[in-house]
Amino acid sequence: DIQMTQSPSSLSASVGDRVTITCRASQSISNYLNWYHQKPGKAPKLLIYAASSLQSGVPSRFSGSGSGTDFTLSISSLQREDFGTYYCQQSYSARTFGQGTKVEIK
Amino acid sequence: QVQLVESGGGLVKPGGSLRLSCAASGFTFSDFYMSWIRQAPGKGPEWLSYISTSSTYTKYADSVKGRFTISRDNAKNSLYLQMNSLRAEDTAVYYCAREVSTWLDPWGQGTLVTVSS
Repeated sequence: DIQMTQSPSSLSASVGDRVTITCRASQSISNYLNWYHQKPGKAPKLLIYAASSLQSGVPSRFSGSGSGTDFTLSISSLQREDFGTYYCQQSYSARTFGQGTKVEIK
Repeated sequence: QVQLVESGGGLVKPGGSLRLSCAASGFTFSDFYMSWIRQAPGKGPEWLSYISTSSTYTKYADSVKGRFTISRDNAKNSLYLQMNSLRAEDTAVYYCAREVSTWLDPWGQGTLVTVSS
């Protein structure tokens, strides 16, 4: 099974800060990597698919990069509505999620 | 708009069974693979299973293989998850999601399954 490891597990940042979350796969997954955002009590929502493609309707401050085993989700200028937990997910072999990165606004 | 609505969750005793349903609308259901995912309290999502458009192909996570069965009825635009031999560790919110190529979008609102005596 492919394991996904995210870092950090949590972070606190101010509005306007640049935020970066990393996700590492236990083996190469090409670009079969997606990112989701979840707010408390809600279902996860797709942000980025195929490592770097922005889902329709998602603000352009979100971006994704990487291939192989190392991937990054960046938020160029953090906004208040960006609080919540971010998950990476591989779809190279079955599907596996990372353990999540909780983002808090200072 | 694309919508997925899960139902069928509730309280069940260990060893019991439950069948979850997911009603789809706003898209051509029969054109898409579908998945079930669950999320235990305070934990990240765990993918459980997916099913192909005509039910020919299914895949399961090891944690539920042999206990859970995914199925669909394209005529009713519905997805199902039959869960048998339930354990306390199966307690979670269960989501259905549409598979678009290799990503999950959208997800339903979820239905809570609690396994407890």
